[in-house]
Amino acid sequence: EVQLVESGGGLVQPGGSLRLSCAVSGFSGSSGFSVSNNYMSWVRQAPGKGLEWVSVIYSGVSTYYADSVRGRFTISRDSSKNTLYLQMRNLKAEDTAVYYCARGVDDYAVFDIWGQGTMVNVSS
Amino acid sequence: IVMTQSPESLAVSLGERATITCKSSQTVLHSSNNKNYVAWYQQKPGQPPKLLISWASTRESGVPDRFSGSGSGTDFTLTISNLQAEDVALYHCQQYYSSEYTFGQGTKLEIK
Repeated sequence: EVQLVESGGGLVQPGGSLRLSCAVSGFSGSSGFSVSNNYMSWVRQAPGKGLEWVSVIYSGVSTYYADSVRGRFTISRDSSKNTLYLQMRNLKAEDTAVYYCARGVDDYAVFDIWGQGTMVNVSS
Repeated sequence: IVMTQSPESLAVSLGERATITCKSSQTVLHSSNNKNYVAWYQQKPGQPPKLLISWASTRESGVPDRFSGSGSGTDFTLTISNLQAEDVALYHCQQYYSSEYTFGQGTKLEIK
């Protein structure tokens, strides 16, 4: 069974940086699940709140961001490690949330596989 | 595109029907394929979301048929018939029409 495993969360001061990782585990060669040939996204959820889409990277090179993070966050991937990343800079208190990575189905941003999430706490 | 979900919370008796609505600020019906770019997710406490329905009305494999989605254009509904105890969760709608994907604010479903 293919799984997504996030890491890299933690406590950071306002203005600081963090890099989140999302590794594919349980990869089956026959399933062909690679972060490079799927739409991959980051979605976050502030404590007690709903979901907020953060960023997507398509199977090509295109990337998109929510207005709230554009210019501060960068999504990327490493095909050799089959891992998705989210570099977060100039963090603000309102970035505090559980960050999930998720896979899009058939080149659409409909997310069928989610990780368990990693918590980011921005506080002084 | 803003997705407005209602109600924020809902309490329904076991065996009864729960109805959650989601309204988009502009159409999410794509004229090229006549499909509505709306998905519904279920999220239980301490778990990541689970995809229930895509294309507004297509149930994912393994999702019980008491879950159904309907609607077109800007108005969408998730209906849960014959409510079971395991359906207690937070439900989210999402549009994927625009490349800035957006979710509704979520609806908390409880047992009355």
